[in-house]
Amino acid sequence: SQQGEEDPQALSIQEGENATMNCSYKTSINNLQWYRQNSGRGLVHLILIRSNEREKHSGRLRVTLDTSKKSSSLLITASRAADTASYFCATRDTGANSKLTFGKGITLSVRP
Amino acid sequence: DGGITQSPKYLFRKEGQNVTLSCEQNLNHDAMYWYRQDPGQGLRLIYYSQIVNDFQKGDIAEGYSVSREKKESFPLTVTSAQKNPTAFYLCASRSSGSSGEQFFGPGTRLTVL
Repeated sequence: SQQGEEDPQALSIQEGENATMNCSYKTSINNLQWYRQNSGRGLVHLILIRSNEREKHSGRLRVTLDTSKKSSSLLITASRAADTASYFCATRDTGANSKLTFGKGITLSVRP
Repeated sequence: DGGITQSPKYLFRKEGQNVTLSCEQNLNHDAMYWYRQDPGQGLRLIYYSQIVNDFQKGDIAEGYSVSREKKESFPLTVTSAQKNPTAFYLCASRSSGSSGEQFFGPGTRLTVL
């Protein structure tokens, strides 16, 4: 079952602009993670935010989490053409298992 | 280099044949996962294993089988019972001590002819 739902499905911006991607989920979570996938490749972990955290930064990435709204956002500042990829949010629920549930992904295109 | 490898990168199979996809990791991770990715559908979990000699079905296990005889290896067999096997298959691993970050292999693209 799909837990995370990303929004928008596709985003096209100019190099240098900021990109904001959103994710909503349905159940209680232990943490939420964002991954990046270049075309035809495996996923790469970007950042993890725990359920008791509200904001986290890593380089040009900023992630927020609102557990009352069951939503998260990923902000990429000063985007570059190399940021062009698909971005997925994934949630780990509060149960004992270690499964992640992925959303369908957002396709980001950064125009040079 | 530490990492997770999948082979082959591309695989072609005739209908009715079983095929096994390889996944190996040298990260000393306890947990390993198999996902299927179809266009526009994100990743769906097929099977996962949290420890050697143990594995559990994911959301779409029908038509697939796995084994976990060694910590480093988690092969996936796509059987002839899988009705629509053409997809991109991704293997991942995770350290039992981590909060959940998974490390992914490069994927195998399976095409049924």
